Amino acid sequence: LAKTTQPISMDSYEGQEVNITCSHNNIATNDYITWYQQFPSQGPRFIIQGYKTKVTNEVASLFIPADRKSSTLSLPRVSLSDTAVYYCLVGPGRDNFNKFYFGSGTKLNVKP
Amino acid sequence: DGGITQSPKYLFRKEGQNVTLSCEQNLNHDAMYWYRQDPGQGLRLIYYSQIVNDFQKGDIAEGYSVSREKKESFPLTVTSAQKNPTAFYLCASSTRALTRGNQPQHFGDGTRLSIL
Repeated sequence: LAKTTQPISMDSYEGQEVNITCSHNNIATNDYITWYQQFPSQGPRFIIQGYKTKVTNEVASLFIPADRKSSTLSLPRVSLSDTAVYYCLVGPGRDNFNKFYFGSGTKLNVKP
Repeated sequence: DGGITQSPKYLFRKEGQNVTLSCEQNLNHDAMYWYRQDPGQGLRLIYYSQIVNDFQKGDIAEGYSVSREKKESFPLTVTSAQKNPTAFYLCASSTRALTRGNQPQHFGDGTRLSIL
């Protein structure tokens, strides 16, 4: 199972671009990279998923280099409401099923 | 509006009592999951179900039980055997991961269980 490593916390200011990097050195050929966002006392929410190169949606971009051993979640022009914990997951998960390890994630603190 | 509903939002348990947490989804998803989250920690998988009438233990199943009699429902019972049940419980669902896998999970807003 591909293990992920992400920073425990990050600080930013409103209006800045935030990049959160996740390391996954033993990612498998059929693994995808998925990011979730969690606010206090709520369930995680799917943000973005990718396999290689770059993926962009209305809230974020995901950059994946050619070796796929890391990935970077990019949040453009963050606001106070982006303060949350961000989880990086790699898989299809254990036993080739959606059983993932959600680590402690990266706690992003956006300041005014 | 499709989604996952967990109830109640807050629940209190007395010593030696079993309690059941409700999880209902109208997303027509085959797979459902239960996670436990302790303060400042990530999520840990308790049980999961890929299809009706089938479920499997996750990493921390001891002291918990589940049933999956209907596609829409996946209730979790916290039994008296669970000695440290105070936590935030999250239910999720997804389409079944077949050959491709890694189907995004949709989460409810959780139930916070406390011991009286």
